[in-house]
Amino acid sequence: GENVEQHPSTLSVQEGDSAVIKCTYSDSASNYFPWYKQELGKRPQLIIDIRSNVGEKKDQRIAVTLNKTAKHFSLHITETQPEDSAVYFCAAFRQAGTALIFGKGTTLSVSS
Amino acid sequence: DAGVIQSPRHEVTEMGQEVTLRCKPISGHNSLFWYRQTMMRGLELLIYFNNNVPIDDSGMPEDRFSAKMPNASFSTLKIQPSEPRDSAVYFCASSLWSSGANVLTFGAGSRLTVL
Repeated sequence: GENVEQHPSTLSVQEGDSAVIKCTYSDSASNYFPWYKQELGKRPQLIIDIRSNVGEKKDQRIAVTLNKTAKHFSLHITETQPEDSAVYFCAAFRQAGTALIFGKGTTLSVSS
Repeated sequence: DAGVIQSPRHEVTEMGQEVTLRCKPISGHNSLFWYRQTMMRGLELLIYFNNNVPIDDSGMPEDRFSAKMPNASFSTLKIQPSEPRDSAVYFCASSLWSSGANVLTFGAGSRLTVL
C-alpha cells in the first residue's frame, strides 16, 4: 500500500524566513497530493493541493511542487509569520483507493 | 452547512468499557473516513466508506474496533472493550469524491481517554 514519508519532523524559523517541507510517496499511481494544516487543538484543514498533471501551484505565500519521476513533493511557505506556526501534513492516495494516507507531520514554529 | 459533526468531543472511560463515537458527515458527501491521531503514529486511517459501503477496514487495529454507516448521514465507530492504548483523538472526515481529487473536511475530533 501507499507509504508517505515526511521531513523534517520539526522546523523552526524566524519570522520572514522561508520554510520548506518535503514528502516522498511510494505508489507511482498516486495522482493527488494535498497539504493540511493543523493548529494546536484544532482539526486538520486543507491549505493547498496539486494534481499529477501540474508541476507547481501557488497560492499567495504558499506553493507546492511535484516531481513525479522522483516521487516527491514539497510545501514552500515564504515570508513566514507567527500564525503559520502549526503542524503540516502531506498526503497521497492509498493504492487503488480513494483514501488519503498522511505523512507523520511537521511541526513548524515561527518566532518573531 | 454545519460541517462534519462529531460527538462526544471528549470521553473518559475505564478500561474494559464500550465506547461509541458518532459522526454526521456533510450533506451530499459520498465518502466518509475515520482517522486516529496520536503523537507516536500521527494520523492513521482506520476505515472508509463510499456511498455507505465499507471499502477498506485494513487500518482497524483489531476486532475490538468496529464501524458502521447505516445511512448517508450517520456513522459510528465502536471500541469494545476499550484499552488504555486506544487513547487518542479520533477524527471523522467526509468528502465528495471526484476523479483525481478527494478534499477531506474533518470534524472537530473526539478525544478519548481510557484509564
